[in-house]
Amino acid sequence: GAVVSQHPSRVICKSGTSVKIECRSLDFQATTMFWYRQFPKKSLMLMATSNEGSKATYEQGVEKDKFLINHASLTLSTLTVTSAHPEDSSFYICSADQLGGVQFFGPGTRLTVL
Amino acid sequence: GENVEQHPSTLSVQEGDSAVIKCTYSDSASNYFPWYKQELGKRPQLIIDIRSNVGEKKDQRIAVTLNKTAKHFSLHITETQPEDSAVYFCAASRASGTASKLTFGTGTRLQVTL
Repeated sequence: GAVVSQHPSRVICKSGTSVKIECRSLDFQATTMFWYRQFPKKSLMLMATSNEGSKATYEQGVEKDKFLINHASLTLSTLTVTSAHPEDSSFYICSADQLGGVQFFGPGTRLTVL
Repeated sequence: GENVEQHPSTLSVQEGDSAVIKCTYSDSASNYFPWYKQELGKRPQLIIDIRSNVGEKKDQRIAVTLNKTAKHFSLHITETQPEDSAVYFCAASRASGTASKLTFGTGTRLQVTL
């Protein structure tokens, strides 16, 4: 399958700081990437759809000003968690759509906000 | 929007036995149904998928069946091995030529005991 990388794999930050997470498709171009959030022992919850060259589409209940998404190229999307708080601590995973709805996931970023 | 239900939430089988996980979906327009395996702290990995023009698909010990009329699909794992222990997620989407978002089930924790 296609390869998707994500960086960093873990981050610990203080409350009030911003954290940027990168998602890259390594061997294919992805017009669309998706950002998910996963709490312990829970399913993946879609946060937003990231479209190259245009604004992201956010799911209901996800604050677009708090979770900034930029999809500047066909291989890179970034998620910035602004003014992070302890309740933002979670496992953030991106995916890239290769063709026909098939999504391949990055390894995830575990965010801990102190 | 789409709603995907998944059962059971936990499943324990003895090594060598079969495991079956079932999902139902609500959107009759959904046409793509992937299954992902997620080990603790790792990314979800696509293990098999099926499209609505097919009723069954098999890949070695793994098979998926789809009943469009009843709007349910199932994952079958035969001759289970300890390395099959993981959380399995079903998902559904309206896949087209462009990217489509996945709606995930709540997950099934499979434990294969010796």
